[in-house]
Amino acid sequence: AQSVTQPDIHITVSEGASLELRCNYSYGATPYLFWYVQSPGQGLQLLLKYFSGDTLVQGIKGFEAEFKRSQSSFNLRKPSVHWSDAAEYFCAVGGIGTGRRALTFGSGTRLQVQP
Amino acid sequence: EAGVTQFPSHSVIEKGQTVTLRCDPISGHDNLYWYRRVMGKEIKFLLHFVKESKQDESGMPNNRFLAERTGGTYSTLKVQPAELEDSGVYFCASSLRLAGSNEQFFGPGTRLTVL
Repeated sequence: AQSVTQPDIHITVSEGASLELRCNYSYGATPYLFWYVQSPGQGLQLLLKYFSGDTLVQGIKGFEAEFKRSQSSFNLRKPSVHWSDAAEYFCAVGGIGTGRRALTFGSGTRLQVQP
Repeated sequence: EAGVTQFPSHSVIEKGQTVTLRCDPISGHDNLYWYRRVMGKEIKFLLHFVKESKQDESGMPNNRFLAERTGGTYSTLKVQPAELEDSGVYFCASSLRLAGSNEQFFGPGTRLTVL
């Protein structure tokens, strides 16, 4: 069964500092990988996705993520955090080539940004 | 283009009552998904429609939950009778039926509180 682990429940960074949110997955084949963000009072917004090809993926709002097959990881990074990045971030994995299209989510990482 | 919409945004009911949640997917999206997040845990898949047919309902917790998608457009999720452990945020998502693409667009969610 597929699973996603986000080991950090809560992270606090200073505005302007760099950010890395960790995500590890377990899946029996090459997965689709996603990062979503949920701001207060909002729905889930897709930041970026990895399907195939270049393992470094660029997303919206200056975020990027790197797929490392050997480590089963898909960590999210941003070089300089803005106060508006305070939100909850979810890593998710979906299946390729199967009839099941459901996403499996991690438990989320809540990001707090200090001025 | 309108995104995924959900109604109501909040619902507070008493144990034993019935609640019906509604989801309107993005126009033209054949795939519709229901997920829920209970008590700050991970977001979990409930079920997946392709048009009006249930493709995968493996995540439905029990027979108190009934999902429908009449005519392949909007969907409803009924909980009857509601229990305390049903409290949480219920998300709906939709996606295009494209081979190799599984990008899901999420609605803002319905926060359900069962007292």
